[in-house]
Amino acid sequence: DTAVSQTPKYLVTQMGNDKSIKCEQNLGHDTMYWYKQDSKKFLKIMFSYNNKELIINETVPNRFSPKSPDKAHLNLHINSLELGDSAVYFCASSFNRESDTQYFGPGTRLTVL
Amino acid sequence: AQSVTQPDIHITVSEGASLELRCNYSYGATPYLFWYVQSPGQGLQLLLKYFSGDTLVQGIKGFEAEFKRSQSSFNLRKPSVHWSDAAEYFCAVGLMEYGNKLVFGAGTILRVKS
Repeated sequence: DTAVSQTPKYLVTQMGNDKSIKCEQNLGHDTMYWYKQDSKKFLKIMFSYNNKELIINETVPNRFSPKSPDKAHLNLHINSLELGDSAVYFCASSFNRESDTQYFGPGTRLTVL
Repeated sequence: AQSVTQPDIHITVSEGASLELRCNYSYGATPYLFWYVQSPGQGLQLLLKYFSGDTLVQGIKGFEAEFKRSQSSFNLRKPSVHWSDAAEYFCAVGLMEYGNKLVFGAGTILRVKS
């Protein structure tokens, strides 16, 4: 069983479209995260939820909206996609929000044309 | 501000040779430190972590890292590199007072020549 899974693995879309990336973890963790890896492979946190509550919201355009229907899922919805949104998006989870290891999903490669 | 520096963008070593990947961090409190590895087209796999205690930590795949507070460093080592170790390696510091967010270095690409 995959511990942290993301769908889709690849996403190709046109500028201006709205898309969602889904993340699920079966580890029983309370905390989940979204990271963005840009074309230079630089990884930066975007959001974090703890037990469905938003706890980290970095400087991210408000076109990006995370949604956590339950603590095992953290989805990322992106409105009005732009070329600069092309990146690999990683979901991660940890047991709690304190001093704990984060386990990463396989990533979703988003390409905006 | 908190930051992580990996001064080497690329490193090439011969198979069987030893490896050291450098990592320096800037952080006011006691750091929680991690090394992750990313193979091409794959996600991030945790190699090892330091939270407290023994400053020499052992990880998976024969890797180890040493935390040196005086040098603000957490270098990754392996005594004998295998071709399958070719990947990109990321050092990260965990900021517990900021909701456990990870701040990553820019990564070091390891190439292994036979």
